[in-house]
Amino acid sequence: GAGVSQSPRYKVAKRGQDVALRCDPISGHVSLFWYQQALGQGPEFLTYFQNEAQLDKSGLPSDRFFAERPEGSVSTLKIQRTQQEDSAVYLCASRIRRGIGAFFGQGTRLTVV
Amino acid sequence: AQTVTQSQPEMSVQEAETVTLSCTYDTSESNYYLFWYKQPPSRQMILVIRQEAYKQQNATENRFSVNFQKAAKSFSLKISDSQLGDTAMYFCAFMDTGTASKLTFGTGTRLQVTL
Repeated sequence: GAGVSQSPRYKVAKRGQDVALRCDPISGHVSLFWYQQALGQGPEFLTYFQNEAQLDKSGLPSDRFFAERPEGSVSTLKIQRTQQEDSAVYLCASRIRRGIGAFFGQGTRLTVV
Repeated sequence: AQTVTQSQPEMSVQEAETVTLSCTYDTSESNYYLFWYKQPPSRQMILVIRQEAYKQQNATENRFSVNFQKAAKSFSLKISDSQLGDTAMYFCAFMDTGTASKLTFGTGTRLQVTL
């Protein structure tokens, strides 16, 4: 596609529910990132993929967070047993090469009630 | 770890005027990239301008330019001839040269362009 596509745009989950957030990066972009943006803050790094390999997951806040990119294109961020503190906008970004800057999707706003 | 500081939570500028947004950062690296991103209410982060640390010349993109002071670790954004469509959150970001070359963002500056 022309840009990074994320779905759903909005997700309301009950506390304890599992959620899955999808990211479809720009075709041909090797690198894919997930960021978490709390209200009024800048995005914070969660994890990084190069093709299908998850090379950095140092930003994942707990073992309830899991990301995958099995075929090196679409990625899914899964949050198990959601908690209220997981409420945030989750941004996906892709990049063709280092130094160019990443292209972001419109994000998924997750609200845990 | 790198840190990025934006000390101006909110700024306001009249249409057609010029405004400068401040950003400072802290790093021990010598080679890196700096970016300014714009985030309108649609939430999509839009790349405004980038600067390579090893280049002394300040980057320029149409009405947007930066003042990059490497020794001072300062990276400000100047918007000339401000337009109503420039109203948005602006984030300064640092990109490291590690495995991920991930972005570290500041807390943002909310810019309001008024008539």
